[in-house]
Amino acid sequence: DAKTTQPPSMDCAEGRAANLPCNHSTISGNEYVYWYRQIHSQGPQYIIHGLKNNETNEMASLIITEDRKSSTLILPHATLRDTAVYYCIVRVTGGNDMRFGAGTRLTVKP
Amino acid sequence: DVKVTQSSRYLVKRTGEKVFLECVQDMDHENMFWYRQDPGLGLRLIYFSYDVKMKEKGDIPEGYSVSREKKERFSLILESASTNQTSMYLCASSLATSGSREQYFGPGTRLTVT
Repeated sequence: DAKTTQPPSMDCAEGRAANLPCNHSTISGNEYVYWYRQIHSQGPQYIIHGLKNNETNEMASLIITEDRKSSTLILPHATLRDTAVYYCIVRVTGGNDMRFGAGTRLTVKP
Repeated sequence: DVKVTQSSRYLVKRTGEKVFLECVQDMDHENMFWYRQDPGLGLRLIYFSYDVKMKEKGDIPEGYSVSREKKERFSLILESASTNQTSMYLCASSLATSGSREQYFGPGTRLTVT
């Protein structure tokens, strides 16, 4: 599975969009990009995933560059409850376990 | 709404005790997983199961066993708990027929072995 690189921490003002970047320059054609988040002392929460196209759901949007070497998770209107560690994971289609790295600690401030 | 539940949020056991951690999912998922999460080490896969009565070892199976008698239930067993098994234990499930196989996690069980 391709390795991912994320900034260790980011801040965002409440009500503004939070844009979390992820670099996965060694991604291969059959690897999905997944985003999870983990609020302190809770299990990881699935947010969104994509293969080639941009994706949007009720929680977030995922923008994948055309060469697929990087992606951005967008939380359109961040709230204090979005404060969490966000993980970007790249995994081959049909793979088993999810390999969580260190992630980005997002702090939403009032 | 997807739901994975774990039997306990917090558990304290003594060294040498047999410990059962239960996980139940209501999404009719074929695949189920047990991870442990430790500071600085991320999530590590202990065991997974892709069908009833089937199991596969993950990266760190030593000291653990699992049981899957029903599709919705996956149990993690610590035969003789030791202090180095103090950790956060996370259960997850995924749909086998989905190409993306995103996993859905339970709330976790924080186990302390004294």
